[in-house]
Amino acid sequence: NAGVTQTPKFRVLKTGQSMTLLCAQDMNHEYMYWYRQDPGMGLRLIHYSVGEGTTAKGEVPDGYNVSRLKKQNFLLGLESAAPSQTSVYFCASSYWSPGTSYEQYFGPGTRLTVT
Amino acid sequence: ELKVEQNPLFLSMQEGKNYTIYCNYSTTSDRLYWYRQDPGKSLESLFVLLSNGAVKQEGRLMASLDTKARLSTLHITAAVHDLSATYFCAVTGGSQGNLIFGKGTKLSVKP
Repeated sequence: NAGVTQTPKFRVLKTGQSMTLLCAQDMNHEYMYWYRQDPGMGLRLIHYSVGEGTTAKGEVPDGYNVSRLKKQNFLLGLESAAPSQTSVYFCASSYWSPGTSYEQYFGPGTRLTVT
Repeated sequence: ELKVEQNPLFLSMQEGKNYTIYCNYSTTSDRLYWYRQDPGKSLESLFVLLSNGAVKQEGRLMASLDTKARLSTLHITAAVHDLSATYFCAVTGGSQGNLIFGKGTKLSVKP
């Protein structure tokens, strides 16, 4: 099993450009999440999904859109990149059933720089 | 609004010493997680604590949870250089398992 994978690993964008980050998981997890990590800020939730075809906003959703067309994939889009979106982006997935821990499994991250 | 505070944010230790990292959270949560992150790497799950009084140990690390005090501790025993990393605690912030993270504790263990 590959676990959670993210594409690309690194990207440099110019202000105003758009891009899509891809997250894929092969653990058949229902729940998927996108976080961003900035120095000294910990991780902050951008958007999440509780199943195929569903998405919801997290703590810092502005400037991002997401889609979950297939259970195994969760896409994060930046329509018009801004320097404030320079960050490391992590995708995670988890499963849920009564009494379980909701443990999240994280991907390797995407380092994005917006100039 | 659920908030998670860790302290200290930076910790420089000598090898062989003991120390504790504290994680306070502001409202009731039924799960608490500890993660480790090495520079430039992803997050590695260390512990999941599900109930009041829960204690888990792995090697030189021991985590505990007091839900009444809304406090978790990560205790380091006889630190070694390999433990140098950033440690995050997180609690579930909603019914979909969303995690609210602390800002992390950057641990540096020096010989």
